[in-house]
Amino acid sequence: DAGVIQSPRHEVTEMGQEVTLRCKPISGHDYLFWYRQTMMRGLELLIYFNNNVPIDDSGMPEDRFSAKMPNASFSTLKIQPSEPRDSAVYFCASSAARQPQHFGDGTRLSIL
Amino acid sequence: AQSVTQLGSHVSVSEGALVLLRCNYSSSVPPYLFWYVQYPNQGLQLLLKYTSAATLVKGINGFEAEFKKSETSFHLTKPSAHMSDAAEYFCAVSESNDYKLSFGAGTTVTVRA
Repeated sequence: DAGVIQSPRHEVTEMGQEVTLRCKPISGHDYLFWYRQTMMRGLELLIYFNNNVPIDDSGMPEDRFSAKMPNASFSTLKIQPSEPRDSAVYFCASSAARQPQHFGDGTRLSIL
Repeated sequence: AQSVTQLGSHVSVSEGALVLLRCNYSSSVPPYLFWYVQYPNQGLQLLLKYTSAATLVKGINGFEAEFKKSETSFHLTKPSAHMSDAAEYFCAVSESNDYKLSFGAGTTVTVRA
């Protein structure tokens, strides 16, 4: 039973570059969440989708961040242009309705 | 809006001793409460959940938590710590009419041999 799959696991890039993080949710889950984890701010919900539609993006830090879910098995979180303060671990999670969220192993992003 | 406070960012216990991690929540509606564990370089794994059924909830790896509405608490316990329990633990709350999880700041547990 495959869990939530995120890629890449690690990303190191220079300031100003575009970064794309990818997530494959668990099959059958109709909710998908993107989180950011930092030492200073802990775990923050950035955005979540239901049936591929964004429901709440109030946690997205600024216009440089965007997220899409073109189909039930794939989502992306894009940062353009990236800045050093975007360095963090980004998690994707998925769930069925009213069920606990299952997390991927995260993408560790470093912006130099 | 919901929020979670975890008391103590670090807890150190001896192997075989009681593990007690404290969590207090605020919520304007009946809450769903969760404990997750995070091992280094991994995602969060669900330990247990409270969803308005029994107030004492048993989870995986010998952990349990008790929901106390009067104290707005959901403390996590394990009677006897094992070296493999060393990890970071997060308490989270979701309001019953929402799907958003709010996490506490986390508590890092170290286990001494």
